[in-house]
Amino acid sequence: QQQVKQSPQSLIVQKGGISIINCAYENTAFDYFPWYQQFPGKGPALLIAIRPDVSEKKEGRFTISFNKSAKQFSLHIMDSQPGDSATYFCAASKGGTGRRALTFGSGTRLQVQP
Amino acid sequence: GAVVSQHPSRVICKSGTSVKIECRSLDFQATTMFWYRQFPKQSLMLMATSNEGSKATYEQGVEKDKFLINHASLTLSTLTVTSAHPEDSSFYICSARERDLRSNTGELFFGEGSRLTVL
Repeated sequence: QQQVKQSPQSLIVQKGGISIINCAYENTAFDYFPWYQQFPGKGPALLIAIRPDVSEKKEGRFTISFNKSAKQFSLHIMDSQPGDSATYFCAASKGGTGRRALTFGSGTRLQVQP
Repeated sequence: GAVVSQHPSRVICKSGTSVKIECRSLDFQATTMFWYRQFPKQSLMLMATSNEGSKATYEQGVEKDKFLINHASLTLSTLTVTSAHPEDSSFYICSARERDLRSNTGELFFGEGSRLTVL
């Protein structure tokens, strides 16, 4: 059972454009939603995370939008740069602070063209 | 930020041999570590949860006798792939949770991963 569904599978964006990646979850017990960035051959690194008590969180060029009723959340990368080219994973966990194991989405390969 | 170190980063072994991968939390104590496996171009799949001083909890479908996990101290967990076969070739990633939260988000810190190739 895929508990976190992520789309699109791949995304090509021009430099300076906005990259948008979407995720939907099924388990209403999830209460921590992070996004990770992974470069080839490396472990994932936390980008930004949100809890369901807020609808949006912004850190620099990265914004998470969260819709609790729809059980969806998305990552927006503003002013996308070639260095942002990587695979992005959404994830979810229960336990309030990400203490439990994360359930990952299937990943989105982002390519930002110069 | 906190650092989780994995060793080795790459390992090639012959079929039938055993391989040990270490996961260390370098500047914090980790009561819980998680082991993930990632096949090429796929997502991270949780294999097991490792708790210091107790037996690991394995996810459904993961053979505990094949993937031995030991969490003997608050800074070290090891994953041993026993009698490795080519289908065990994968990218193994550990993550660690701090014993005492230093951030409100309770971030899990990931290692750099270990690429296992079984010939």
